[in-house]
Amino acid sequence: DSGVTQTPKHLITATGQRVTLRCSPRSGDLSVYWYQQSLDQGLQFLIQYYNGEERAKGNILERFSAQQFPDLHSELNLSSLELGDSALYFCASSPSLNTEAFFGQGTRLTVV
Amino acid sequence: DQQVKQNSPSLSVQEGRISILNCDYTNSMFDYFLWYKKYPAEGPTFLISISSIKDKNEDGRFTVFLNKSAKHLSLHIVPSQPGDSAVYFCAASATYNFNKFYFGSGTKLNVKP
Repeated sequence: DSGVTQTPKHLITATGQRVTLRCSPRSGDLSVYWYQQSLDQGLQFLIQYYNGEERAKGNILERFSAQQFPDLHSELNLSSLELGDSALYFCASSPSLNTEAFFGQGTRLTVV
Repeated sequence: DQQVKQNSPSLSVQEGRISILNCDYTNSMFDYFLWYKKYPAEGPTFLISISSIKDKNEDGRFTVFLNKSAKHLSLHIVPSQPGDSAVYFCAASATYNFNKFYFGSGTKLNVKP
């Protein structure tokens, strides 16, 4: 158990819909990362927050947005969902900006 | 733009032998490298890391080697055990870039009993 909690574990939704994925980082970790893993692909970096502020952005679509709240939990919002958005979405956290990240178990999103 | 590449999608090794997983990167600004292990239905688990000031880091059965001139790193597992069967991801970051990690596509290791 990495200490990073992601909810829900599974999500099935229709095209065009909007969903919110939630992440609770490890206690004390200030940095949160979101990654997407499509079928048999590597982990694609989406976005990073540090202590409530966006710090780095990867290949995140405009239909996607994220935020980190004062209690340090984070949410990833995916809107106007398409079939190709079906993937595993991982959240990771780290105590600072220069240490390894610890991953949650992921949310499997299926868009039908 | 794949800045971190793992060119071997899979590797099969006999129990007790050495497993060598390879990773190449293109960005010369990367200065921190990590290996993660991932079992099915679980998130990646941090395994071992190496900073660019070193060329080797060892932790038990796991050793990571870094060749900066070749922009290449490798993970050695000796001896390999069936429980090591998993997908291994290498990742790299540049500390100037707030530790944005770039991951390879993974190598699936199968250790046969």
